[in-house]
Amino acid sequence: QVVLTQSPSASASLGASVKLTCTLSSGHSSYVIAWLQQRPEMGPRHLMRLNSDGSHNKGDGIPDRFSGSSSGAERYLTISSLQSEDEADYYCQTWGPGIRVIFGGGTKLTVL
Amino acid sequence: EVQLVESGGGLVKPGGSLRLSCAGSGFTFTNAWMSWVRQAPGKGLEWVGRIKSKSDGGTTDYAAPVKDRFTISRDDSENTVFLQMNSLKTEDTAVYYCATETRAGWPDYWGQGTLVAVSS
Repeated sequence: QVVLTQSPSASASLGASVKLTCTLSSGHSSYVIAWLQQRPEMGPRHLMRLNSDGSHNKGDGIPDRFSGSSSGAERYLTISSLQSEDEADYYCQTWGPGIRVIFGGGTKLTVL
Repeated sequence: EVQLVESGGGLVKPGGSLRLSCAGSGFTFTNAWMSWVRQAPGKGLEWVGRIKSKSDGGTTDYAAPVKDRFTISRDDSENTVFLQMNSLKTEDTAVYYCATETRAGWPDYWGQGTLVAVSS
């Protein structure tokens, strides 16, 4: 069963860039993942699907400031020109046997 | 614009039942796989289950913690998906979200959620 591991927290300054990481468990480095954003008191928002080669398909209306990349079992979400509205929880997601959806534990991003 | 609106949440005693609804608009509901995802207070996202489109068999899949207690159904004439929750436990307390799976396995459009509190 694939497991997704995320750091619980991250922080970066307004206007700076931040790179969040999602690590796939051993033996699952080829998996496609998705990144989701959840602002406080809101439902999640799909940001992009990210392939093992780093190519990605963004969701509707997602700004160019959001990009994805991959290296081995690591999947990255880079947010550039950080804005206060980017302060949120970020989850990675994939699926396992039976197309059962699996989420990482989430990273809480603080914009300083 | 895709919109999903959940309703039916509330306070229920352990062992009780509750039925959640999720009304969809702005997309072809009959073709959509629909998922339910929950989030316990202060915790991360947990997938609950899904129902496939009727053209894909209309079958359901459930996460282990809710299997045999929760049932997902759909009414395509009303563009609505339901989550029937029976034998509720305190650990089922969460905000419940519905989401579309425009591509299988990838929840993409989400509702705002409805809160279910299980407490005596």
